Amino acid sequence: EAGVVQSPRYKIIEKKQPVAFWCNPISGHNTLYWYLQNLGQGPELLIRYENEEAVDDSQLPKDRFSAERLKGVDSTLKIQPAELGDSAVYLCASSTEVGETQYFGPGTRLLVL
Amino acid sequence: GQQVMQIPQYQHVQEGEDFTTYCNSSTTLSNIQWYKQRPGGHPVFLIQLVKSGEVKKQKRLTFQFGEAKKNSSLHITATQTTDVGTYFCRMGNFNKFYFGSGTKLNVKP
Repeated sequence: EAGVVQSPRYKIIEKKQPVAFWCNPISGHNTLYWYLQNLGQGPELLIRYENEEAVDDSQLPKDRFSAERLKGVDSTLKIQPAELGDSAVYLCASSTEVGETQYFGPGTRLLVL
Repeated sequence: GQQVMQIPQYQHVQEGEDFTTYCNSSTTLSNIQWYKQRPGGHPVFLIQLVKSGEVKKQKRLTFQFGEAKKNSSLHITATQTTDVGTYFCRMGNFNKFYFGSGTKLNVKP
């Protein structure tokens, strides 16, 4: 069975440019998470979806970050405009339901210059 | 809000020595999960603890959940170089989950 798929794996952009990340969760997993991970830190939740509904986006900087999960499967996370401080690894994870084991994708490593 | 503390931040051991990382919460938890992240990799699930005082073992790894369900530990007996990585706890409080900052383990052969 395929794991969580993320693309791109790496992205380098200049500040003020937009960027988008894509995630395909494990088939059948209703819960999808987007995390931000800075070097030497643990994952920090940005947003959690239950099917297509965003049930926890309290940590998402809504002035520049947006996310969607149309049809309750794939999800995209967008930053517009990107800032230098957004350089980090963006991890997507999925689980059958909230509280269960989370399966992480390989992440997208973003560098904002 | 909930606070999660994980210590130590770093641990350097000689191969064969033991290793322990601890997670502490300011509030009572519904469950705790442990993950391992290899250098350059992504977090991989190790185990989940749910019951007060629960102890689970996976070969050389022993996981404990405190009686008050506010703390947990991961102990590795006789470390090997394959144990290198960062170990994270993920503390669950019903529908809220928080990752610790991780303990980075380096094992010298």
